Amino acid sequence: EVQLVQSGAEVKKPGESLKISCKGSGYSFTSYWIGWVRQMPGKGLEWMGIIYPGDSDTRYSPSFQGQVTISADKSISTAYLQWSSLKASDTAMYYCARLQGAALDAFDIWGQGTMVTVSS
Amino acid sequence: AIWMTQSPSLLSASTGDRVTISCRMSQGISSYLAWYQQKPGKAPELLIYAASTLQSGVPSRFSGSGSGTDFTLTISCLQSEDFATYYCQQYYSFPPTFGQGTKVEIK
Repeated sequence: EVQLVQSGAEVKKPGESLKISCKGSGYSFTSYWIGWVRQMPGKGLEWMGIIYPGDSDTRYSPSFQGQVTISADKSISTAYLQWSSLKASDTAMYYCARLQGAALDAFDIWGQGTMVTVSS
Repeated sequence: AIWMTQSPSLLSASTGDRVTISCRMSQGISSYLAWYQQKPGKAPELLIYAASTLQSGVPSRFSGSGSGTDFTLTISCLQSEDFATYYCQQYYSFPPTFGQGTKVEIK
């Protein structure tokens, strides 16, 4: 079964760092782009950025460029989303998702989501 | 960036109804459009891609149409499990963007 399994919920304080993960299985992890999508409480979906684990080619939405870092470790089929200094406004559900084919494509497989809460 | 207007934001309907959701683009995107369904507390699921291609496993009561700037998602006969929020997404250009969402609720 093709699936993406994300790391568990996190509660952090402003200014702290954080790295959440997304592990792929059931398919060739290095052959598909993986993306990250933010959903703030009660709000819609926001496309953050993508990575191609095969060569670590990474693209960011201008809204998130410089705010987060997307990376991947192909040896363990895992993608990451990290923050160096969290803000309260980073409180959201974060989904990883697989792109069907090209860098510009629909997301066909989604992780279950990781809730990040940033509060003092 | 491409701006999207999804409407309505809230749709009240009954089981068995035919419902349509619209997505309008600020510029033409050919057929590079997807539709997703999201149920409360769950991740989104892909319903349709390339504007009208049904994702594997998705019931045939879902259909998509349109190209260029105007797109429609139609549910031909609403079932209880279809009450959810629906999002369109353009993937014609960077950055891909999502519509604001349409919540389909029980009338």
